[in-house]
Amino acid sequence: DTEVTQTPKHLVMGMTNKKSLKCEQHMGHRAMYWYKQKAKKPPELMFVYSYEKLSINESVPSRFSPECPNSSLLNLHLHALQPEDSALYLCASSQVGTGHNEQFFGPGTRLTVL
Amino acid sequence: GENVEQHPSTLSVQEGDSAVIKCTYSDSASNYFPWYKQELGKGPQLIIDIRSNVGEKKDQRIAVTLNKTAKHFSLHITETQPEDSAVYFCAASKRYGGATNKLIFGTGTLLAVQP
Repeated sequence: DTEVTQTPKHLVMGMTNKKSLKCEQHMGHRAMYWYKQKAKKPPELMFVYSYEKLSINESVPSRFSPECPNSSLLNLHLHALQPEDSALYLCASSQVGTGHNEQFFGPGTRLTVL
Repeated sequence: GENVEQHPSTLSVQEGDSAVIKCTYSDSASNYFPWYKQELGKGPQLIIDIRSNVGEKKDQRIAVTLNKTAKHFSLHITETQPEDSAVYFCAASKRYGGATNKLIFGTGTLLAVQP
């Protein structure tokens, strides 16, 4: 299984809502990533988890709260978002260790904040 | 901070022609250079990568070259087909935060292959 799955595919939320994005992989990868991608732009790194611990936070606003409950799952909790947070949110995973390891991306969740 | 420039931003070729996309990176410590293809409505998919100890790598119709001195790397697609139409991103990476790596993406190239 070389797939990263993300749910939901689409999400529309108001600025006062609380919602969560979910990501799952069963490749045994111990690094998982959240990226944000605006239209016609490259992915921008938000968070990296390594061995279920947060290792990189790219100065992301606190209205985005990541969680890695186990080695296969990654969540992104959303609260009090702004319309400019509307984007494609991508999850990725990779092995951890020496060398540079391929990052496998999921299909993304298309988020619209009204 | 590290920056990756990518050119051209759009590229239109006839089916069967070759396509070349070029990237330049700023951080000389970068040592891993993947290329991703992103089709509409999908996540990026790795198509080829190269490490800094190699100058060229080929996989069927796709090849990547790396010039470490000039900090340039390029993607070459030969015998293009309509299904090659997509957005292509280059990226540069170095070890960061222990055992994970951080990808810095280029701005993307929209490739259109005309039948």
